[in-house]
Amino acid sequence: EDKVVQSPLSLVVHEGDTVTLNCSYEVTNFRSLLWYKQEKKAPTFLFMLTSSGIEKKSGRLSSILDKKELSSILNITATQTGDSAIYLCAVDSNYQLIWGAGTKLIIKP
Amino acid sequence: DVKVTQSSRYLVKRTGEKVFLECVQDMDHENMFWYRQDPGLGLRLIYFSYDVKMKEKGDIPEGYSVSREKKERFSLILESASTNQTSMYLCASSYNQPQHFGDGTRLSIL
Repeated sequence: EDKVVQSPLSLVVHEGDTVTLNCSYEVTNFRSLLWYKQEKKAPTFLFMLTSSGIEKKSGRLSSILDKKELSSILNITATQTGDSAIYLCAVDSNYQLIWGAGTKLIIKP
Repeated sequence: DVKVTQSSRYLVKRTGEKVFLECVQDMDHENMFWYRQDPGLGLRLIYFSYDVKMKEKGDIPEGYSVSREKKERFSLILESASTNQTSMYLCASSYNQPQHFGDGTRLSIL
């Protein structure tokens, strides 16, 4: 059975800290891994990763895929209160997204 | 920018009612999806559609049906609402990946 596991489930840090969120997967036919950020409403797309070892970066957020370890990390540097959200990881397996349960990140001022 | 619009942000219905949730996308995407999201469980796929009048069951289709009469519109139907269907419902559309989401409908069944 395909599955995606995110860790930690929740995380509380102070503003300015750096955080690393983890996503591991076991799927039958890996096509890509996606990261989303969800605040109060719709999940918004952050990154899509298909190749191992190539970092995707957007401002203070970056992500990398390790196909050997079947995992990905999402890094956020110099965190701000606006980074507080649920971060969702999903893997495209056979054209369907398999979702992790999410990591709830809380940034304290 | 992709726009996925769900008809209601909040909805309260009674047990046994037939409930319709509507979703419209403006990007001519072929693929549309309905998920429910519950704390600690992530997003679970209810139904999806790859074309007009076409539907496929997801992981948790029981108690739900869908309709896709036009490419831009995908409706989720709760045939006879029950309290365990209280949840956040998210619609998404895509050409390939990524999927783009609507703001969600928080549905309460009393």
